Amino acid sequence: EAQVTQNPRYLITVTGKKLTVTCSQNMNHEYMSWYRQDPGLGLRQIYYSMNVEVTDKGDVPEGYKVSRKEKRNFPLILESPSPNQTSLYFCASSLSLLSPQSNEKLFFGSGTQLSVL
Amino acid sequence: QKEVEQNSGPLSVPEGAIASLNCTYSDRVSQSFFWYRQYSGKSPELIMSIYSNGDKEDGRFTAQLNKASQYVSLLIRDSQPSDSATYLCAGNTPLVFGKGTRLSVIA
Repeated sequence: EAQVTQNPRYLITVTGKKLTVTCSQNMNHEYMSWYRQDPGLGLRQIYYSMNVEVTDKGDVPEGYKVSRKEKRNFPLILESPSPNQTSLYFCASSLSLLSPQSNEKLFFGSGTQLSVL
Repeated sequence: QKEVEQNSGPLSVPEGAIASLNCTYSDRVSQSFFWYRQYSGKSPELIMSIYSNGDKEDGRFTAQLNKASQYVSLLIRDSQPSDSATYLCAGNTPLVFGKGTRLSVIA
């Protein structure tokens, strides 16, 4: 089954304790992205990757790191989490988003609800 | 910076009515637009994509795009309580979402 797998589904941690949220897709997609969703603010892009070893900042990259060492995986790393990073996080992937004419669909993971105390 | 604007709602319509959701965008680069539906606590799912001016129909859903006015809309005919969700508009290059409109269909 074609899917984007995100883990964990729920995570409670404390300020400053490094964490990683994993994301994996089995569709050979080139494009992958991380979003956070907060009430009243909608989906905001954190980082995205057009291909292996190519990553770029989205709208809210501060406090986050990503890596794209292989095509299928795109982990989100919080080196020193803070309470303002409490949010619902979504990983997403698409075959390609390389041109304005592209209408490729985004496939979303099931989300990770993160609470930083 | 590209922006996608939506009325946050909530938009309340009676069951069986037409729900009209609207979206405006600030740039002229995006050629494709998307409507995603998101139930509370769940991930967004694609309903419609549109990249040509005019209307595109799929079942009870119709997307409308007017590039000259930088406006895209989604009409839901014969609204059902199961349509109650938040609807997200997005343009591409790269994908940027509006904040979403919460729709409530009253039985």
